[in-house]
Amino acid sequence: ETGVTQTPRHLVMGMTNKKSLKCEQHLGHNAMYWYKQSAKKPLELMFVYNFKEQTENNSVPSRFSPECPNSSHLFLHLHTLQPEDSALYLCASTSRGRDGDTGELFFGEGSRLTVL
Amino acid sequence: AQSVTQLDSQVPVFEEAPVELRCNYSSSVSVYLFWYVQYPNQGLQLLLKYLSGSTLVKGINGFEAEFNKSQTSFHLRKPSVHISDTAEYFCAVSSNFNKFYFGSGTKLNVKP
Repeated sequence: ETGVTQTPRHLVMGMTNKKSLKCEQHLGHNAMYWYKQSAKKPLELMFVYNFKEQTENNSVPSRFSPECPNSSHLFLHLHTLQPEDSALYLCASTSRGRDGDTGELFFGEGSRLTVL
Repeated sequence: AQSVTQLDSQVPVFEEAPVELRCNYSSSVSVYLFWYVQYPNQGLQLLLKYLSGSTLVKGINGFEAEFNKSQTSFHLRKPSVHISDTAEYFCAVSSNFNKFYFGSGTKLNVKP
């Protein structure tokens, strides 16, 4: 079992559906990330949360809405997506500030999203 | 902002042969550098990182990388690969441990 758990692992949705991706980390970290992984493209940083506060929105369309209710949980709410949004969505966490920054991201196994 | 270029999308190599996976970065400030590995159906995990000090960094599974500031490179090497090294490898850069920028990945295919 990894320290970062993502659910669901696979999701198929229509363009008019509303769904959510969930990420939970059991590592005591205080920073969490959403990345989008598409074939043959660099991992795209989407959102960064530090101590539950959003510190980065990398020009992500509003049809993606993040939520971080506490330092252990991160959600990505999906609404009226496009087929080009089909990708692997990766959650990651790290420890910031306490005892220095290690610079190591811990990733979940990802949620494979298919938009029809 | 920073960016990372991994020129080789796929690298085929025979088992026990040496391998080098190339990574070049672009940044106007000092950076920290990382290599991650992704096995099929898994998330990324850290192989090694350069934060400061010796430019030759050793990581897990016998991998090492050398930071070359003048060439803005951080190439990953292994002297003898195994079948189990078949995976996708990602180079990443960060200037502040807040935002991490990744390359597009290199698929290493080790053949028997």
